[in-house]
Amino acid sequence: DAKTTQPNSMESNEEEPVHLPCNHSTISGTDYIHWYRQLPSQGPEYVIHGLTSNVNNRMASLAIAEDRKSSTLILHRATLRDAAVYYCIPHDSGNTPLVFGKGTRLSVIA
Amino acid sequence: EPEVTQTPSHQVTQMGQEVILRCVPISNHLYFYWYRQILGQKVEFLVSFYNNEISEKSEIFDDQFSVERPDGSNFTLKIRSTKLEDSAMYFCASSSREGVQGRELFFGEGSRLTVL
Repeated sequence: DAKTTQPNSMESNEEEPVHLPCNHSTISGTDYIHWYRQLPSQGPEYVIHGLTSNVNNRMASLAIAEDRKSSTLILHRATLRDAAVYYCIPHDSGNTPLVFGKGTRLSVIA
Repeated sequence: EPEVTQTPSHQVTQMGQEVILRCVPISNHLYFYWYRQILGQKVEFLVSFYNNEISEKSEIFDDQFSVERPDGSNFTLKIRSTKLEDSAMYFCASSSREGVQGRELFFGEGSRLTVL
């Protein structure tokens, strides 16, 4: 599995955009970049994933660097409900399991 | 929206007792997983299950653990003789096969196991 580096924690004001970075310099060419989050006392929740192109969905946007060695999860307007631990997970399309790291703990301030 | 459900939400047991944690995955999903999270630590992979057999397991998943899909809907994790260090939140997850696009895992809310 590709090694990832994420900040331990970040803080954002409510209704401000948040950019959560992830370095994955050892990613292989076939690994997708998955993002999950874990709200307090809940199971992990899928956020978004991508391979090379930037991706948008109702929850977030994913910006992937051209060399694929890093990516950024963008929450366009943080809400208090977005306070969670965010995990960046490079993962191939096969049946190997997702491996969670320590992630980034996002705090949102009202 | 379909969801993965887990029971019980919390179980307290004595060391050495057997515990069965139950999960109902999303109905058309084919891949099933158990993960655990010890308080304050990372989410750790235990086992994956496909086509009625284990497809991969971690070092944590030793002989005291077993999984089963007894009736085509439930997916269970059995811990044969619980130890204090088995105290954790156990998460079940399921996914469908979506070809080369990568698969989204759907997690349940977890079963908290406390071993005394």
